[in-house]
Amino acid sequence: GESVGLHLPTLSVQEGDNSIINCAYSNSASDYFIWYKQESGKGPQFIIDIRSNMDKRQGQRVTVLLNKTVKHLSLQIAATQPGDSAVYFCADSDSWGKLQFGAGTQVVVTP
Amino acid sequence: NAGVMQNPRHLVRRRGQEARLRCSPMKGHSHVYWYRQLPEEGLKFMVYLQKENIIDESGMPKERFSAEFPKEGPSILRIQQVVRGDSAAYFCASSPMNRVGNTEAFFGQGTRLTVV
Repeated sequence: GESVGLHLPTLSVQEGDNSIINCAYSNSASDYFIWYKQESGKGPQFIIDIRSNMDKRQGQRVTVLLNKTVKHLSLQIAATQPGDSAVYFCADSDSWGKLQFGAGTQVVVTP
Repeated sequence: NAGVMQNPRHLVRRRGQEARLRCSPMKGHSHVYWYRQLPEEGLKFMVYLQKENIIDESGMPKERFSAEFPKEGPSILRIQQVVRGDSAAYFCASSPMNRVGNTEAFFGQGTRLTVV
């Protein structure tokens, strides 16, 4: 079936460096994408979203890039902090708000 | 404005018992979604409900699982005759009625079900 998936299961990054998390999707009809952060024992927390009519969107310390040609999505975290340690999921939403999640990338921030 | 509230946070059931998971959406939200998360995996969609209606239950197992979202009160995910394979974290999300799709869904903290 169609799915959203991630390339790397674990990303280790030094505090202060930038992090890049990648995601591939297979449904070319997808038009809305969201990145979520999930800390241990907690529910997913919205980070940033992007619609298919955009190729870049910036938030506070985060940037999402969308390449529709290769069906690729990335999340960039600037100046990674210890509090950024978590599992990051990309997801796409259908018109009913139903989310299809990727497997997740564990980000580990080292001092 | 309280977030999405789920209870209990942790639930332990013996095989064969019933599990009832509750979700109160954010105030003003009338769309509720249930997801299941196995350890080290992403969330998998189970069911989408609006008040008194099941809109999409394509992710629900055909047997033992049911969900409702009554006119009054929380949404309930019910698992009958639980088996060890039902052990997982169950998350509820809600979104506002007037912005379905292409809008942020807010998640609760989840219910962690352990079947012993």
